[in-house]
Amino acid sequence: SQQGEEDPQALSIQEGENATMNCSYKTSINNLQWYRQNSGRGLVHLILIRSNEREKHSGRLRVTLDTSKKSSSLLITASRAADTASYFCATATQDGGTSYGKLTFGQGTILTVHP
Amino acid sequence: NAGVMQNPRHLVRRRGQEARLRCSPMKGHSHVYWYRQLPEEGLKFMVYLQKENIIDESGMPKERFSAEFPKEGPSILRIQQVVRGDSAAYFCASSRVDEKLFFGSGTQLSVL
Repeated sequence: SQQGEEDPQALSIQEGENATMNCSYKTSINNLQWYRQNSGRGLVHLILIRSNEREKHSGRLRVTLDTSKKSSSLLITASRAADTASYFCATATQDGGTSYGKLTFGQGTILTVHP
Repeated sequence: NAGVMQNPRHLVRRRGQEARLRCSPMKGHSHVYWYRQLPEEGLKFMVYLQKENIIDESGMPKERFSAEFPKEGPSILRIQQVVRGDSAAYFCASSRVDEKLFFGSGTQLSVL
């Protein structure tokens, strides 16, 4: 399996519910990032968590990181129809170029939020 | 402040032709990254460039692919003698030093 694998592959929920997506990775990392991609568009950076952090919040987003299990989760609370998109985790390894730019992406979770 | 601009948005080429993909980074960004996304897959790193320098091309196929980021003008990803397997979405991203990436909307390359 690849570095940065998301689970589930697809998630369908109703507006107002919470959405949780998980990501696993294999190698030591410098940081882990979550991105959102609307259909046919570029990626938008959502949040970054460093390897020495365990939890981070940004608005309705909550990210956790467990380096002992090499896993992360992204929680979107009180979801909206506009949250419908693909969500990718991406890791920056310690021997990468800049710690931000050379990223290894997972295959993504397709989130559908029904009004 | 315009975002990362990629053109063309869609590019159709016949097998054996050359494809040139352009990327203008955000103003003030000196770091450019190219990624490729195959259908229903995540993005795969291809190359990292700074002005006039290739910093990391570990994700570039050994043949037919090249990239540049000249002192003036956009970054160019060139694919020579395209094959059907090159069909994908190609994304460019830019950043300042050690800051988050801003992605363009991508170029969808279709090889007939």
